[in-house]
Amino acid sequence: GESVGLHLPTLSVQEGDNSIINCAYSNSASDYFIWYKQESGKGPQFIIDIRSNMDKRQGQRVTVLLNKTVKHLSLQIAATQPGDSAVYFCAEMKTNNNDMRFGAGTRLTVKP
Amino acid sequence: NAGVTQTPKFQVLKTGQSMTLQCAQDMNHEYMSWYRQDPGMGLRLIHYSVGAGITDQGEVPNGYNVSRSTTEDFPLRLLSAAPSQTSVYFCASSPDRASNQPQHFGDGTRLSIL
Repeated sequence: GESVGLHLPTLSVQEGDNSIINCAYSNSASDYFIWYKQESGKGPQFIIDIRSNMDKRQGQRVTVLLNKTVKHLSLQIAATQPGDSAVYFCAEMKTNNNDMRFGAGTRLTVKP
Repeated sequence: NAGVTQTPKFQVLKTGQSMTLQCAQDMNHEYMSWYRQDPGMGLRLIHYSVGAGITDQGEVPNGYNVSRSTTEDFPLRLLSAAPSQTSVYFCASSPDRASNQPQHFGDGTRLSIL
């Protein structure tokens, strides 16, 4: 079946560096994508989303890039801080479909 | 606004016992859902509801029942607990499904089945 996955399960960066977390998706019909952050003992928290009619969207210190040709999604975090340490999930869905599919997650560790 | 509230936070059950995980949201969201999260896997959809009185199955519905008698509440019932249901359960809500808005998650219920 089709699924959402991640290239790397763990990522370690130095404080102040930029982080890039990648995600591969396989359902070419998906048209809405979300990045979530999950801290230990907490539920997933929305970071940023992007629709398939865009290839880039920026938020505060975060940027999501969407490459529909190769079905790839990435999350860029600028000037990574210790508070950014968490597990990051990508999720995909198709408009009006009630099934949002999540990747397994990447654990980001920020070293001081 | 409290957002999405899940109770209990932790629970230990014996095989064969039944229990209900509670979920409530105070944002007047139409769409609510239940996921389970297992180590090394993404969240998997168990059941969802697009509004009061309407429920449907997700990816992994077996062993679970839901009901949606009000907009605010969406309880998840384990009819006869099995060790394979040991997991962390998350409830989520969003204004509606058609508008493609992100879901708001509760902080989870950590369930162990012995």
